[in-house]
This record gives sequence, C-alpha cells and structure tokens, in this order.
Amino acid sequence: QVQLVQSGAEVKKPGASVKVSCKASGYSFISYAMHWVRQAPGQRLEWMGWINADTDNTKYSQRFQGRVTITRDTSASTAYMELSSLRSEDTAVYYCARVFGGLDFWGQGTLVTVSS
Amino acid sequence: AIQLTQSPSSLSASVGDRVTITCRASQGISSALAWYQQKPGKAPKLLIYDASNLESGVPSRFSGGGSGTDFTLTISSLQPEDFATYYCQQFNSYPQDFGPGTKVDIK
Repeated sequence: QVQLVQSGAEVKKPGASVKVSCKASGYSFISYAMHWVRQAPGQRLEWMGWINADTDNTKYSQRFQGRVTITRDTSASTAYMELSSLRSEDTAVYYCARVFGGLDFWGQGTLVTVSS
Repeated sequence: AIQLTQSPSSLSASVGDRVTITCRASQGISSALAWYQQKPGKAPKLLIYDASNLESGVPSRFSGGGSGTDFTLTISSLQPEDFATYYCQQFNSYPQDFGPGTKVDIK
C-alpha cells in the first residue's frame, strides 16, 4: 500500500535551516510529483511547492522568497524539503503529499518548532 | 495569485442534515479544484478532485460541483464521522493554495 513516512520532529533556533524527509513506498516514486504543505498551529493549510520526481523540475510558492528547496533521491524513493532562515512564524507541521488528481496520499506530518 | 474564499467559515449541523460548503476563486480556474477533510491532529484526506470526481473509497454522500469561479461541496446526510474542517485547493496556477477552511461541528 502507498505510504509516505516523514522524518521526526525538529526544534531549531531562529536563523537556522531544517531539512525534512519523506520516504515513499508502495508505488513507483518517479511516476508521481510530490508536494509540500505546511500548517501553523490553528491556521489554514499553506502550499509550499512541488517536485516532479522524474525530471527533478520544481515549483515554489513566492511566499517563501527563495527560502525553500525541494529535492529528491530516486534511489531512496525519498523527497526532501529544506527551509532556511527560520523564524518563529515557521513553526508548523510540514506535510509531504503525492499528487494524483488531488493530493491523494499524505505523510504523517513533521512538527518543526522554531524557538530561541 | 488566485485567492480562494470559503463560506461559511463554520457551521453547526445535526446528524442527517444536508450540508453545502462553497469555495469561490478570485479568477476562473476551470475545474482544477480539490476538496479535503481534516480532523484535529491528522493529515488532510482527499475527498473530491477535478471539482466533481469522488476519490476512491470516499462515501457517496460527498459530492462536488461547479466550475470557473464557484464550487460546492455537499454532504447529503451528515454522519458523526464527518465533523471536521473542510478545505478547497486550486490546481490551476501557482501557488496552488488552499481556502481558509470551513469547520463543521455538532449542533
């Protein structure tokens, strides 16, 4: 069955970077794009960007002003999302999600806490 | 960027009620819209894609409609497990943002 398993919770200081992984199983990794979405406490879902797992093409939300980088390792069937120059407002749960029609399978979420 | 609004922002309903949630886009997005259900502490669950296509495994009491700028999610007979927050998302252009959500709780 399709599974997306994300890396564990992180606590970071302001100005640092965080890299979250998302390991896919149960399907052909390169056949689907992977999106990243975040949700701050009590807030709406926020789209961050996506990667074509086959071609490595990416697209990002301008909201993150060049702070986000999405990569993938096809040999490991894993996608990564790195967010730099962290600030307190980046405290959120970060999700990866496969796209087919809509975002049909989601990871369990990774809590990133930014605190001094 | 395309802005999505949802109405109402919250509603109270009883088991068995028919519930309709609206999502409006600031410009036309054809049928490139999905609906999700999210329960506290959980990842969202895809309900509807391409505005009106029911995701596999989702109960048939859920239906979606609309195109262009106005879309609806309807639950024909609300069940206890349907109390949650519902989000729309557009896939027409970047950023592929979500609406602000509609919280459905028990009357």
